Amino acid sequence: DIQMTQSPSTLSASVGDRVTITCRASQNIASWLAWYQQKPGRAPNLLIYKASNLESGVPSRFSGSGSGTEFTLTISSLQSDDFATYYCQQYNSYSWTFGQGTKVEIK
Amino acid sequence: QVQLLESGPGLVKPSETLSLTCTVSGDAISSYYWNWIRQPPGKGLECIGYIYYTGSSNYNPSLKSRVTMSVDTSRNQVSLRLTSLTAADTAVYYCARVSASGWYFDNWGQGTLVIVSS
Repeated sequence: DIQMTQSPSTLSASVGDRVTITCRASQNIASWLAWYQQKPGRAPNLLIYKASNLESGVPSRFSGSGSGTEFTLTISSLQSDDFATYYCQQYNSYSWTFGQGTKVEIK
Repeated sequence: QVQLLESGPGLVKPSETLSLTCTVSGDAISSYYWNWIRQPPGKGLECIGYIYYTGSSNYNPSLKSRVTMSVDTSRNQVSLRLTSLTAADTAVYYCARVSASGWYFDNWGQGTLVIVSS
């Protein structure tokens, strides 16, 4: 199975900061990577699909990049609503796995 | 707008079997893959497996011996059965739809908390 490694596990930042989260796959997954935001007590919410495509309704301050084994999620200017946990998710051969998550906290 | 709603018991005893149902409204379950995903309290997300509307399925190897998924197209439902429960199975269980345009989850249920305890 393909393993996904996110870094960092926790990130402390202030409103207005530029934030970058990295996700590494143990094998080449082309662009089959998605990013989700999860707030406490809620289901995950899709932000980015196919590595760099912004889901409809998601603010443009979110962006994704990468292919193969290295991917990043960037929040260009962190807003108060963005403090949450973020997960990457890969797909390969009818198997889906998530990264362990990155919690974005208020600095 | 597609809505997914998980239902089932909130409390199950160790060694017993868990049965959950995901009822889909706003769209037919046909032509989609459906996943069950779980999240232990305070931890990350784990894919349990998927089922296609035709009934074909595949499960996480770590759970394969205990998991069965099924689909009822007439009721627009997908179901999960997990046997031989232990405290480690305590989690929020989500059903999620795989997007038709790519291998990501575009719709999620609200989740249902299942506690395994005597």
